[in-house]
Amino acid sequence: DAGITQSPRHKVTETGTPVTLRCHQTENHRYMYWYRQDPGHGLRLIHYSYGVKDTDKGEVSDGYSVSRSKTEDFLLTLESATSSQTSVYFCAISELQRGGNEQFFGPGTRLTVL
Amino acid sequence: AQKVTQAQTEISVVEKEDVTLDCVYETRDTTYYLFWYKQPPSGELVFLIRRNSFDEQNEISGRYSWNFQKSTSSFNFTITASQVVDSAVYFCALSPLGIKAAGNKLTFGGGTRVLVKP
Repeated sequence: DAGITQSPRHKVTETGTPVTLRCHQTENHRYMYWYRQDPGHGLRLIHYSYGVKDTDKGEVSDGYSVSRSKTEDFLLTLESATSSQTSVYFCAISELQRGGNEQFFGPGTRLTVL
Repeated sequence: AQKVTQAQTEISVVEKEDVTLDCVYETRDTTYYLFWYKQPPSGELVFLIRRNSFDEQNEISGRYSWNFQKSTSSFNFTITASQVVDSAVYFCALSPLGIKAAGNKLTFGGGTRVLVKP
């Protein structure tokens, strides 16, 4: 299994509070991603990183920011949590290689915003 | 823009029946990857297979098989002789191919829930 951990695994917070989710990898992969999973929508990309301090937006980036100060860590911050951000958040990693670029996922974080 | 459609939201079968999951995609890229992931009730996402757009050879892995048809933009997945442990949500996904392929971002379909009853 790919060495990917997410913390916390579960969190309940209140509307308007900031929240930070952490993704940690031990694979030294270049690419890291944050997705959210909601019923009927599959997984949607929030932000991704292609190296230390190199990040870019995905399709649902509003209300989220990210940071990557080390290869192994990718942080997702909800600047002021809203109920619409209640979701399951998955981190993924991948590495460019001739054979392919499949992404491997962490265990997920279930976030509830009251 | 890329799009992946899994028209079947839920499929229910009895154990030992075969089940086929449909996946149709749209992309302007001439080269791309297609993927299937499995999400069992425990919630983790498990990578099953990757196909390159220039390789239309079908693939079989145990009870799993995949039928890629570029002409119809489809990448269907069949589970033969289903078992209760196959109960899960299955996702089809698409990404561009190539070293400059914008972070190799995945576009997922909405998923198909498969329920295998004993």
